Amino acid sequence: KQEVTQIPAALSVPEGENLVLNCSFTDSAIYNLQWFRQDPGKGLTSLLLIQSSQREQTSGRLNASLDKSSGRSTLYIAASQPGDSATYLCAVRPRETSGSRLTFGEGTQLTVNP
Amino acid sequence: DGGITQSPKYLFRKEGQNVTLSCEQNLNHDAMYWYRQDPGQGLRLIYYSQIVNDFQKGDIAEGYSVSREKKESFPLTVTSAQKNPTAFYLCASSPRWAVVSGNTIYFGEGSWLTVV
Repeated sequence: KQEVTQIPAALSVPEGENLVLNCSFTDSAIYNLQWFRQDPGKGLTSLLLIQSSQREQTSGRLNASLDKSSGRSTLYIAASQPGDSATYLCAVRPRETSGSRLTFGEGTQLTVNP
Repeated sequence: DGGITQSPKYLFRKEGQNVTLSCEQNLNHDAMYWYRQDPGQGLRLIYYSQIVNDFQKGDIAEGYSVSREKKESFPLTVTSAQKNPTAFYLCASSPRWAVVSGNTIYFGEGSWLTVV
């Protein structure tokens, strides 16, 4: 059974810092991996999706990498801002195509202090 | 605007009652999903449907039921058999071939269910 772990569970940084969020998964037979953002009491918004054949994806100040063989992904946030404060979740999609059975990690709660 | 609408935002259930959470999407997506999120936890899949009149159990389906009579609607009923229903419920949708196309999944704003 696929398990997804995110470290750290919570992170507090001053504005302007570069930071890295970590995601690890136990079964490397994945189709893709996604990073989501969740604001308190809200739904999830997709940030980056990395296909299993890709090594990284970038969007603005965000860069996500994938090392499928070691079961790891990182989300790098450059020059953090208070507006980046949210919970960040990673999710993996298994190789088989039955629906979208994403397995989620528990998230990293990020606070960026002005 | 296109999106997913969940209602109600807040719902209170008495012991022994069934309650239904509504989820409507106008994105023309074939696939729809229901997830449960407990405080400080990730999302767990309750039920999903890839096409009208068809749905499958997810990882924690016990105590829940769904229907998919229309493409745009996927209501979730939390029955009295669900012993610990207090949680945040998220509905989502995606194109049916999301796995192949790499398209992402879209989420509603969620519904809070509390047992009183």
